[in-house]
Amino acid sequence: QQQVKQSPQSLIVQKGGISIINCAYENTAFDYFPWYQQFPGKGPALLIAIRPDVSEKKEGRFTISFNKSAKQFSLHIMDSQPGDSATYFCAAEGGSQGNLIFGKGTKLSVKP
Amino acid sequence: DAGVTQSPTHLIKTRGQHVTLRCSPISGHKSVSWYQQVLGQGPQFIFQYYEKEERGRGNFPDRFSARQFPNYSSELNVNALLLGDSALYLCASSKNPTGDSSYTFGSGTRLTVV
Repeated sequence: QQQVKQSPQSLIVQKGGISIINCAYENTAFDYFPWYQQFPGKGPALLIAIRPDVSEKKEGRFTISFNKSAKQFSLHIMDSQPGDSATYFCAAEGGSQGNLIFGKGTKLSVKP
Repeated sequence: DAGVTQSPTHLIKTRGQHVTLRCSPISGHKSVSWYQQVLGQGPQFIFQYYEKEERGRGNFPDRFSARQFPNYSSELNVNALLLGDSALYLCASSKNPTGDSSYTFGSGTRLTVV
């Protein structure tokens, strides 16, 4: 049972464009929704996170939009740069256990 | 400050063998979690330890075990290795065991079972 569904699987964006990655979750007990960025050969690094009491959070070029009623959240990367090329994972956490449930990842390529 | 350190970085084992992976958390972090990341997939939760006690266990067979030491470092043990155990094993540390703190991941141990 996949509790966090992520799309698209891969994404190609031109430099300066907007990258959008979407996630949907099933468990209403989730109360923490982070996004991680992973480069080849490295572990995931926390990019930005949101809690369900907020509909949007912005940090620099990265924005999370959160729709609690639809159980969906998305990552927007503004002014995408070649250095943003990486795999992005959405995740969710909540309930009695403190473990993260990850989506399957989106491989982003930003073309110069 | 040092981040989460994992050792070894790479490992090749034969089917049926045993492996021990090690993790040192960030100083001050008392919670350590282990994740398995198969190529092309998101990390999957294996174990979480907090203050040397097991706090959670994912859907992995009993061949997988772990422990946390008094200095909060941790070991992940896998017995009777299968080809399907080939993956990147990630350790993550946090101050607390649940979502009040963000998790910091190490660079992982790449395990190849042949």
